[in-house]
Amino acid sequence: QQPVQSPQAVILREGEDAVINCSSSKALYSVHWYRQKHGEAPVFLMILLKGGEQKGHEKISASFNEKKQQSSLYLTASQLSYSGTYFCGTEEGGSEKLVFGKGTKLTVNP
Amino acid sequence: NAGVTQTPKFQVLKTGQSMTLQCAQDMNHEYMSWYRQDPGMGLRLIHYSVGAGITDQGEVPNGYNVSRSTTEDFPLRLLSAAPSQTSVYFCASSYKTRGGYNEQFFGPGTRLTVL
Repeated sequence: QQPVQSPQAVILREGEDAVINCSSSKALYSVHWYRQKHGEAPVFLMILLKGGEQKGHEKISASFNEKKQQSSLYLTASQLSYSGTYFCGTEEGGSEKLVFGKGTKLTVNP
Repeated sequence: NAGVTQTPKFQVLKTGQSMTLQCAQDMNHEYMSWYRQDPGMGLRLIHYSVGAGITDQGEVPNGYNVSRSTTEDFPLRLLSAAPSQTSVYFCASSYKTRGGYNEQFFGPGTRLTVL
């Protein structure tokens, strides 16, 4: 079952902040975040694991609320290069599948 | 390392034709998967494999077959192509550690059009 992402789209000016949310109705083992530029493959940003461990890029921050099955990606002081579509992927407890949401399109303008 | 490779990059089929999308990885990853990407629908899981000889269905498996005879290769077969299968297809691979799945490495994608 696809996780639900919000918002669907965000438009920012350079330097502004944004938060992208991801939620699931199932108990989660981990949450993944990826960014995709137009015409390219998704690129890894971060993994948040049950229990608090995080793996990923130092400049990206995110949170994972295990009880609420929710994760948020925090983009601060946005740059033009942050533009793209952000996907969260969830690994449900007891499942071997990694299922992605529909994405959040982020546009950063000068 | 070449990472994850996919062939072909582009393909046009007629309704009813069959074809195989190739995916290979040279990182010795046990986990491989196929996703399709359609506008507004995100990445939808078609099939996945947790090791050679083991495959399972994802969210949208109908019309697709897979097999995993080796760790390196995970081909996706369309037996009788339909216009609804027009999409961009991504293959991905990963591995597990104690904490679950690690970074997914995506291939460059195959853009398929079915007329």
